[in-house]
Amino acid sequence: DAKTTQPNSMESNEEEPVHLPCNHSTISGTDYIHWYRQLPSQGPEYVIHGLTSNVNNRMASLAIAEDRKSSTLILHRATLRDAAVYYCIIRETSGSRLTFGEGTQLTVNP
Amino acid sequence: EADIYQTPRYLVIGTGKKITLECSQTMGHDKMYWYQQDPGMELHLIHYSYGVNSTEKGDLSSESTVSRIRTEHFPLTLESARPSHTSQYLCASSATGIFGSGELFFGEGSRLTVL
Repeated sequence: DAKTTQPNSMESNEEEPVHLPCNHSTISGTDYIHWYRQLPSQGPEYVIHGLTSNVNNRMASLAIAEDRKSSTLILHRATLRDAAVYYCIIRETSGSRLTFGEGTQLTVNP
Repeated sequence: EADIYQTPRYLVIGTGKKITLECSQTMGHDKMYWYQQDPGMELHLIHYSYGVNSTEKGDLSSESTVSRIRTEHFPLTLESARPSHTSQYLCASSATGIFGSGELFFGEGSRLTVL
């Protein structure tokens, strides 16, 4: 499985944008980049995924570097409810398994 | 909204008891998973299934066992619980995605405490 590297923690202020980085230098050409988040005392929830092009949905945007060795999850206006652990995961072409790393603990200040 | 359910949400039992954690999904997903997560720690895959009568061990060794007799049901069993089994167990499912694009839907988890 391709490894990912994320900062252990980040802080943001409410109503401001948040950029959560992820490095995945060993990603293969057809591996997908997935992002999940886990709120306290809950199971993880899907946020977004992408392959090569930048992606947008109602929750966030995903910016993927041209060489695909890194990506950034963008929360356009952070709210207190966005405080969670955010996981960047590489999902292999052949597999359905997701291997979770330690993720980034996002703190949102009021 | 995810339609995947886990019971019980919380369970406190004594050492040596047999327990079964239930997981059911109504989305018709062929793939199902069990993850184990200690407080403040990362998730570890302990079992997965790609369909009926198919089960595999995950990345983390576990004394638990699973079965997949029906598509919608993926129970996890501990024959003799020990304090070291105290943890949160999370069930998930996914449809067959194209080249790994399918998202995982997680249940709310079963928090097990063995005294």
